[in-house]
Amino acid sequence: QVHLVQSGGGLVQPGKSVRLSCKASGFNFGSYGMHWVRQAPGKGLEWVAVIAKDGGYGDYADAVKGRLTISRDNSKNILFLDLNNVRTEDTAVYYCAKDRLTGAEPFDLWGQGTMVVVS
Amino acid sequence: DIHLTQSPSSLSASVGDKVTMSCRASQNIATYLHWYQHKPGKAPQLLVYAASTLQTGVPSRFTGGGSGTDFTLTINSLQPEDFASYYCQQTYTHPVSFGGGTRLEI
Repeated sequence: QVHLVQSGGGLVQPGKSVRLSCKASGFNFGSYGMHWVRQAPGKGLEWVAVIAKDGGYGDYADAVKGRLTISRDNSKNILFLDLNNVRTEDTAVYYCAKDRLTGAEPFDLWGQGTMVVVS
Repeated sequence: DIHLTQSPSSLSASVGDKVTMSCRASQNIATYLHWYQHKPGKAPQLLVYAASTLQTGVPSRFTGGGSGTDFTLTINSLQPEDFASYYCQQTYTHPVSFGGGTRLEI
């Protein structure tokens, strides 16, 4: 079975840092681009970041550019999101998600979500 | 950046009803439009991709349509498990974006 299992997050003080992890299983992790998506309380889904399958390319939403860093370890099948200098507006449930195929594809597998509260 | 506008923002219906929700893109995105179902405390689930292709395992009562800038998601014969929020997403260009969602309530 294919799974993305998330860990990390919790209560973080403004200006501090936190790392989120997303462990993949059941598929060839290194063959797919991966994303982070977040949902602030009472709000909709917001795309946050993408990383290419080999980790050679990453891109970010303007709202987080310069503060968030996406990375991956294909040898361990893990995706990371480092949130640095966090702000109260970063409070959200963060989801990792997998591209269905290579290219302009939807996200066909999502993690269970992990909450980050900045306060 | 491409902006997606979903309507209505909320929708009340009953089990057995047919409902249709819309998603409008701020520019032509061909069929790079996808639909997700999201329930509280759960991971979003892909329902329809490329505007009209049903994801494996999704019931056939879900139908997607449209191209260019205007898209629809129709649910025939609503079931109790269909009451959730629905989001459209475009992957035509970066940054990827989501619509604001339609909340389907009993």
